[in-house]
Amino acid sequence: DVKVTQSSRYLVKRTGEKVFLECVQDMDHENMFWYRQDPGLGLRLIYFSYDVKMKEKGDIPEGYSVSREKKERFSLILESASTNQTSMYLCASRARDTEAFFGQGTRLTVV
Amino acid sequence: GNSVTQMEGPVTLSEEAFLTINCTYTATGYPSLFWYVQYPGEGLQLLLKATKADDKGSNKGFEATYRKETTSFHLEKGSVQVSDSAVYFCAFLRYSSASKIIFGSGTRLSIRP
Repeated sequence: DVKVTQSSRYLVKRTGEKVFLECVQDMDHENMFWYRQDPGLGLRLIYFSYDVKMKEKGDIPEGYSVSREKKERFSLILESASTNQTSMYLCASRARDTEAFFGQGTRLTVV
Repeated sequence: GNSVTQMEGPVTLSEEAFLTINCTYTATGYPSLFWYVQYPGEGLQLLLKATKADDKGSNKGFEATYRKETTSFHLEKGSVQVSDSAVYFCAFLRYSSASKIIFGSGTRLSIRP
């Protein structure tokens, strides 16, 4: 079975902190994605990556950056966390000809 | 542009009722279509998919048929259970090396015992 693992289920961080959300997949997928999910807004794409060291902005990249140094790992970075970044963050991966597989989500609270 | 429109929720039904959640898409070409389900506190799981016109995806009693002529992929279940309470997302994807998955806004379903 494909497994996408996010490093934390719940995180609480302070305003201004630098926050790292980690995602690892074990199926050698080329594509990886970070979404945030907010009530009434559905899933919004923050960034995605289609290869190591390659990244593209999604719909809401402001305030975020990403890193993909190895194929299996895709990190989302909040450079200076703010309260409006309190949300559920979902990582996903897929190969070229498969559907997307999701991690369990990280609920981040910024206080 | 590419988009997915799905029925707004919340939808509340009694156990054993018939369920339909409507989904239509706007896309060029011939995308693959998906329904994902999200149970409380969890990530998204693939529920079913269809990759070409007239295909029917099915799983756990849920079904959806890829209708190219109406660009629709409506989700149906004949008899819902309390355990089906979740958020359901319609999505599509045109496979290529770097395609984004396009999601609908999600429909929250609550089933009363």
